[in-house]
Amino acid sequence: QSALTQPASVSGSPGQSITISCTGTSSDIGHYNYVSWYQQHPGKVPKLMISEVTNRPSGVSIRFSGSRSGNTASLTISGLQAEDEADYYCGSYTTTSTQLFGGGTKVTVL
Amino acid sequence: EVQLVESGGGLVQPGGSLRLSCAASGFTFRDYSMHWVRQAPGKGLVWVSRINSGGSTITYADSVKGRFTISRDDAKTSLYLQMNSLRVEDTAVYYCARSREGAFERWGQGTLVTVSS
Repeated sequence: QSALTQPASVSGSPGQSITISCTGTSSDIGHYNYVSWYQQHPGKVPKLMISEVTNRPSGVSIRFSGSRSGNTASLTISGLQAEDEADYYCGSYTTTSTQLFGGGTKVTVL
Repeated sequence: EVQLVESGGGLVQPGGSLRLSCAASGFTFRDYSMHWVRQAPGKGLVWVSRINSGGSTITYADSVKGRFTISRDDAKTSLYLQMNSLRVEDTAVYYCARSREGAFERWGQGTLVTVSS
């Protein structure tokens, strides 16, 4: 049950687009459409931003989008804003009926 | 309004036990799979355990298998986590979460478990 692999940090200037990658295996990200992304501000509860690879829950900004290629999922934030500065985690269901998270990516708005 | 409220956290010595509870309201509890997710201080999210609707399928992370037991009481709309043989590395905020299509769509505020002598 190794964690999914995310970059430790990603940064961008306001208005730019950034992409966070999340690499797994054919037993998790590459097997099911159950890939999700979470935003967590310091001291706060995680918030679901993307489900089922590309679905954006009601209330989540259209600036957030998800995609997948093979065993790697990605979260793109377009039109970066100061409020987007937070930690982001990917998650996936696995073939052993467990769930995995990535190690987290700290997004910094320069 | 959907609400998940955890309780039962606290300070416990290594080797000790603790039982966490999660009171759910605002939705049809029995229809959902429920999970426990933990986060050590300054660290990332780690999935702990899942119980499906009806309670027939239960899975655990390898790190807690054999020590933790998840259960649910649909009549009381509550989720539980019995934690035995606690270790220092189990220290974390424990969240209960509701899932749908593999995503954790609702989270509680969390309860802090500290394992220390």
